[in-house]
Amino acid sequence: DADVTQTPRNRITKTGKRIMLECSQTKGHDRMYWYRQDPGLGLRLIYYSFDVKDINKGEISDGYSVSRQAQAKFSLSLESAIPNQTALYFCATSDLDGARGYTFGSGTRLTVV
Amino acid sequence: AQSVTQLDSQVPVFEEAPVELRCNYSSSVSVYLFWYVQYPNQGLQLLLKYLSGSTLVESINGFEAEFNKSQTSFHLRKPSVHISDTAEYFCAVNAFTNSGYALNFGKGTSLLVTP
Repeated sequence: DADVTQTPRNRITKTGKRIMLECSQTKGHDRMYWYRQDPGLGLRLIYYSFDVKDINKGEISDGYSVSRQAQAKFSLSLESAIPNQTALYFCATSDLDGARGYTFGSGTRLTVV
Repeated sequence: AQSVTQLDSQVPVFEEAPVELRCNYSSSVSVYLFWYVQYPNQGLQLLLKYLSGSTLVESINGFEAEFNKSQTSFHLRKPSVHISDTAEYFCAVNAFTNSGYALNFGKGTSLLVTP
């Protein structure tokens, strides 16, 4: 099994719909992250969580919300999807200071039509 | 705040030629530096990292990167590339936020290796 599992892998949704992307990890790390990848822009941080009770906004949090249901689970929601949220979304996890590297999921390709 | 600049968005190169992908970072504190690779239609894989100690770090597939503190650079090099090295390469720095560290990425460099 993968260390970080994202579901769904691909999703097409309509403008205005609410959608949730899920992430679970088996690394036992407290820290989890959501990134968005757009061509030519690299990966940008949406939200991050350093433990179950800690949620922080990243660089581009507007239009998104998150929920940390457990140490291993961190979900990302788009309350009302819009076309410019079409992107590849990655979940990641790390140890305390990232010294061992960040482990990424395989990504969710989201298309908003 | 720490930031990362990848100086080339695309690097075309012939097979078996050497390549250098450039990365500069800005930070006033000690940092951890990473290179990640993304093969077509796949997720991100850690290629190599610098934490401390020797400034030259190597990956298992022939890439190396050198941490240069005075030039705030962490360029990635390979003496002879293969077709299979075609991918997107991301430089990243462990950036300190309000309550801890998060990974801050450059915009990526697309390496295209042709015969």
